[in-house]
Amino acid sequence: AQKVTQAQTEISVVEKEDVTLDCVYETRDTTYYLFWYKQPPSGELVFLIRRNSFDEQNEISGRYSWNFQKSTSSFNFTITASQVVDSAVYFCALSELTGGGNKLTFGTGTQLKVEL
Amino acid sequence: DGGITQSPKYLFRKEGQNVTLSCEQNLNHDAMYWYRQDPGQGLRLIYYSQIVNDFQKGDIAEGYSVSREKKESFPLTVTSAQKNPTAFYLCASSIRTGRKTQYFGPGTRLLVL
Repeated sequence: AQKVTQAQTEISVVEKEDVTLDCVYETRDTTYYLFWYKQPPSGELVFLIRRNSFDEQNEISGRYSWNFQKSTSSFNFTITASQVVDSAVYFCALSELTGGGNKLTFGTGTQLKVEL
Repeated sequence: DGGITQSPKYLFRKEGQNVTLSCEQNLNHDAMYWYRQDPGQGLRLIYYSQIVNDFQKGDIAEGYSVSREKKESFPLTVTSAQKNPTAFYLCASSIRTGRKTQYFGPGTRLLVL
């Protein structure tokens, strides 16, 4: 069975600090997708990024960057110069094809608190 | 604007009562999903549907039922058989199956009176 582990339950930083959220996954699939979602206090999950298993090119988008390491089964997410608006729960997820479906396995989330 | 709507935002259920959560999307997505989120936990899949008139059980389908009569709609019924229904319910959709990105609605919080 697939598994996603987010060992950091809660992280607190001061505004403008950089912060990295860790994600480690387990899968027997040779081809898979990894996702990061953000859940602000309103509750809606906001899609941030999707990365496939055969493309290890890391990506930067504004203050966000992602580091995919297939050798260590990790897909970490970094926020540079954090802001109060970044405060949210962040979920890492792994896709699995099940009977032609598109099941997502989620980690338990990391609560990020950015304070002034 | 395209998106996913869920209603109501809050729902209260009495003991022994069935309640239905609404999920509508105008993104022209083929696949739709229902997830349950409990405090401090990730999301768990209840049911999903790849096409109209077809759906499959997820990891925690017991006590729930769904229908998919229209492409745009995927209502979830929480039956009296679900003994611990208090949770946050999220609906999602994707353009089609095959590891495409799932987009989520705003959620419905279900509470038991």
